[in-house]
Formats: sequence, C-alpha cells, structure tokens
Amino acid sequence: DTEVTQTPKHLVMGMTNKKSLKCEQHMGHRAMYWYKQKAKKPPELMFVYSYEKLSINESVPSRFSPECPNSSLLNLHLHALQPEDSALYLCASSGVEGSGQPQHFGDGTRLSIL
Amino acid sequence: QKEVEQNSGPLSVPEGAIASLNCTYSDRGSQSFFWYRQYSGKSPELIMFIYSNGDKEDGRFTAQLNTASQYVSLLIRDSQPSDSATYLCAMTGTASKLTFGTGTRLQVTL
Repeated sequence: DTEVTQTPKHLVMGMTNKKSLKCEQHMGHRAMYWYKQKAKKPPELMFVYSYEKLSINESVPSRFSPECPNSSLLNLHLHALQPEDSALYLCASSGVEGSGQPQHFGDGTRLSIL
Repeated sequence: QKEVEQNSGPLSVPEGAIASLNCTYSDRGSQSFFWYRQYSGKSPELIMFIYSNGDKEDGRFTAQLNTASQYVSLLIRDSQPSDSATYLCAMTGTASKLTFGTGTRLQVTL
C-alpha cells in the first residue's frame, strides 16, 4: 500500500469545469510535489512545496493552481483545462526538499479532458 | 545531450537470468540516485537508491554507482515475469529537483 494517498483515482471533466485533485501523506515529510506524466514519458515536475510554501513552479499554466493547506495535504485546483492536459497526475513527498532523500509517489489521478 | 540517458528497450531477458539496466548522466554535481519501477498504467515505485560509489544490494536488486564514469546501473538477479515493467533512473544534484531518464522497458520471458 502506498503511503501517499491521492483522490480521485480517475477524473473526467469538461473544459469549462472546475475540479480539484487531492493528496495526503502521513510520513512527516516536509516536501510535496506535483508531477504530470503522459504515456511512455517520464514524470514532469509541475510544483514543489517545501514546509508548506511554494518552492518551485515549473512555468505551469495558471489553469493549474496548487495549494498546500497543511504539512500533510496538497491540492491541485483545475480550471478551464485543455484536451492536452489529459494525463496521469502524480503527487509525491520526501523528507526535506534538496536533501537528496527519495521521493515517494502516490497512485496518481488519471485525468481525462473532454 | 540529454541530462539522463537510458536505452528505451525493450530489454528482453529469460526468466531466472540477470537483467542489467544502465543509465548515464551529464551533471557531475548529481549526488543522489534512484531507481523506480513503473508498471503500465501505474505510478512509479521506488525500488533502490544509492548515494556513494560502489554497490548496494537489496534482495534481488543491486544498484551500482560510478561517479567517475557518470553511470548508475541496476542489476536484477533471478528475473521473474513480475519484474516486467519500465525502470526509471532518476537523480538529484546541483538542482534539487528530481531528473528522470526516459526509462527502459524490461520484458522477462518464460
């Protein structure tokens, strides 16, 4: 069982919808990450939160809005997405950003944009 | 030149054989190295990490790091059909973000 929990597992939404992806970890990790992964490609980093503050934004379009309400939770708010945003969205956590500690991934949310 | 290079495969090995997966990297500042296994349609699963030159063994898996030659490898002994997956090499270094290779697809045949 993964120690990083993501909900929902699958999401289908229209281009005008607003939805949120959720991620939770109870490992005491202080760094949390959002990745996007397309088929047959490696994960691409989107955002990094370190001690609940946004540390890295990899020039992600504003239709993706991250939020870190507390040290265990990470959200990704979605609005006005495009069909090319269909992908597997992965959340990960690690002990401390920049420490070289391993990142542990959740099971992901499979997102389809109609 | 890509930062992290892996042969995309597929690498086909018979059941019970040793599978050898290789990864080269360009950033000499890379310090922490990871191998993830990813089954089709699933998320990456951490299987090994190595921080210093030499070998690190965990069960059927051995990670090998050679910073002078800038490569890291993963050996899987007694390969099983359940080992069939894509193996992602990843590392952190001068930048704190995790840099992935494109992955090697391993097929273990009966």
